[in-house]
Amino acid sequence: EVQLLESGGGLVQPGGSLRLSCAASGFTFSSYAMTWVRQAPGKGLEWVSAISGSGGSTYYADSVKGRFTISRDNSKNTLNLQMNSLRAEDTALYYCAKTLGTGESDYWGQGTLVSVSS
Amino acid sequence: SYELTQPPSVSVSPGQTASITCSGDELGNKYVCWYQQKPGQSPVLVIYQDTKRPSGIPERFSGSNSGNTATLTISGTQAMDEADYYCQAWDISTAEFGGGTKLTVL
Repeated sequence: EVQLLESGGGLVQPGGSLRLSCAASGFTFSSYAMTWVRQAPGKGLEWVSAISGSGGSTYYADSVKGRFTISRDNSKNTLNLQMNSLRAEDTALYYCAKTLGTGESDYWGQGTLVSVSS
Repeated sequence: SYELTQPPSVSVSPGQTASITCSGDELGNKYVCWYQQKPGQSPVLVIYQDTKRPSGIPERFSGSNSGNTATLTISGTQAMDEADYYCQAWDISTAEFGGGTKLTVL
């Protein structure tokens, strides 16, 4: 059974940093791209970042480029998102998702909540 | 950046057919997928590669994509289908979601 468990969310001040993690199990982690998607309270889904199975290719939304860094540790089946220079508009529930070759995500975690506020 | 446009809301009577559109420049040249999200739950993939249904998704869900518009069709809509629906597509090196459509089953 595929399981994705996000962690690391919390309350942080504007300009601060946070590192999210996603522990994956139930599939060959290194064979699949992974994606972070966020959802602000009461709003729609926003694609944030993706990484290839090997970790050699990374992709970012313009809204987070230069502030967020996606990475993965295939030896630990873990996906990470380092978030720096956080802004109020980064407040959202952050999901990690297992992603297939044509870009669709077939399994999603339950999300971890990030709140950016002073 | 690439934009995908969905109607904010669609209403349908039980047993009828619901159609939700997703528009984008030359969208027919890209793969589109659709997600269903119910309140308090994570999104669920219901259509991928324009027309394919993942295992466990009922046959009443179907998809199409041509020109500038992709369409999610739900035939014989049931009350359990009431949810938010999002289209998604990749453009070069980034992915985009549509703004989402709230499907109400009246």
